[in-house]
Amino acid sequence: GAVVSQHPSWVICKSGTSVKIECRSLDFQATTMFWYRQFPKQSLMLMATSNEGSKATYEQGVEKDKFLINHASLTLSTLTVTSAHPEDSSFYICSARPPDRASGELFFGEGSRLTVL
Amino acid sequence: AQSVAQPEDQVNVAEGNPLTVKCTYSVSGNPYLFWYVQYPNRGLQFLLKYITGDNLVKGSYGFEAEFNKSQTSFHLKKPSALVSDSALYFCAVRDSSGNTPLVFGKGTRLSVIA
Repeated sequence: GAVVSQHPSWVICKSGTSVKIECRSLDFQATTMFWYRQFPKQSLMLMATSNEGSKATYEQGVEKDKFLINHASLTLSTLTVTSAHPEDSSFYICSARPPDRASGELFFGEGSRLTVL
Repeated sequence: AQSVAQPEDQVNVAEGNPLTVKCTYSVSGNPYLFWYVQYPNRGLQFLLKYITGDNLVKGSYGFEAEFNKSQTSFHLKKPSALVSDSALYFCAVRDSSGNTPLVFGKGTRLSVIA
């Protein structure tokens, strides 16, 4: 199956700093990637849709200046949590859909656990 | 608008017994339905999908799911549960049109007891 790689798996940072999470599609090109956030014991909340070469589409209630998304190439999307605060601590998961999968199952990265002190 | 309901937060099953994890959905057009499994601190792994055709779909690790259009359900099943099946299971749906993201249910935690 298609492989999506996410890095880092774990990150701890101080309040006020910025953290970048990378999402790569290793064996396919992805014009669209999706970023989800998962709170403890809860489901996945879609944050934004990352579009290669254009601006990301954010879901209602997600601060675009807080969560910067860049999709600079067909295999890489990045999520930057700016001026992080403890409430941003969460599990962030990216996903992508290979273009030849018309049925549209998503393939997920392993997730990045962010802890803001 | 699309939505998914997983009515059970937790399902407990004895090893070797059959298991069912329930899912119902709502979508405006034709649904694409999916099941994913998540182990602790890991991403989601794809189990199976329904797109069209046979209502009973078979997936990874011996899991299967039955699409029921009249009941708008897509329950996940396995004839004989293993302790290693213990994990968090998510049902997801999207409309068949366009490059839309998946909408997930809140998840059901399956515990298989030896």
